[in-house]
Amino acid sequence: GENVEQHPSTLSVQEGDSAVIKCTYSDSASNYFPWYKQELGKRPQLIIDIRSNVGEKKDQRIAVTLNKTAKHFSLHITETQPEDSAVYFCAASTGGGKLIFGQGTELSVKP
Amino acid sequence: GAVVSQHPSWVICKSGTSVKIECRSLDFQATTMFWYRQFPKQSLMLMATSNEGSKATYEQGVEKDKFLINHASLTLSTLTVTSAHPEDSSFYICSAKGTEKRERGQYFGPGTRLTVT
Repeated sequence: GENVEQHPSTLSVQEGDSAVIKCTYSDSASNYFPWYKQELGKRPQLIIDIRSNVGEKKDQRIAVTLNKTAKHFSLHITETQPEDSAVYFCAASTGGGKLIFGQGTELSVKP
Repeated sequence: GAVVSQHPSWVICKSGTSVKIECRSLDFQATTMFWYRQFPKQSLMLMATSNEGSKATYEQGVEKDKFLINHASLTLSTLTVTSAHPEDSSFYICSAKGTEKRERGQYFGPGTRLTVT
């Protein structure tokens, strides 16, 4: 089955700096890659997603890139703010909605 | 729109008892619901996929006789943890997928914190 690896597990940046989180997946049939932000004790919130027919997608300060050949995708957050501090999860899906999550990255943005 | 609720939001039960968690799609019909378990500081682990009117599909390593899933209607799925033990203490989150074709149509519930004493 699908396996998703996520790095780093923790990331600390200064406010205004960029943050990059990387994920790799194993199943070449995966075609949908969402990113979630989860605050302590809350539900995951979708922040951006990308499909396998697209290489890059951007939404204001957040961007995601996908390399299908290498089977990895990355989340880029620019101009980080303290409110970006949370745990971020990548996920992969082969369709039908079943999501396999990465291990998570705890992002800390220091003012 | 696209709201998913869970009940209860938290529950404490004694070891050996059973507890039922409900997942409801409030404003859309969910043909498929997913149940995840999340231990502290860990990722969401998919437990099972629940399709309305049919048996749930469990992930490898998840005991189907311990975690009973019922998806009796297009708006309700339940997860029953039977004979709960302290190691079952976790955050249980459901998600519901609507009938829209877009993959993005999956919405998470707020989660249920289960503590088994």
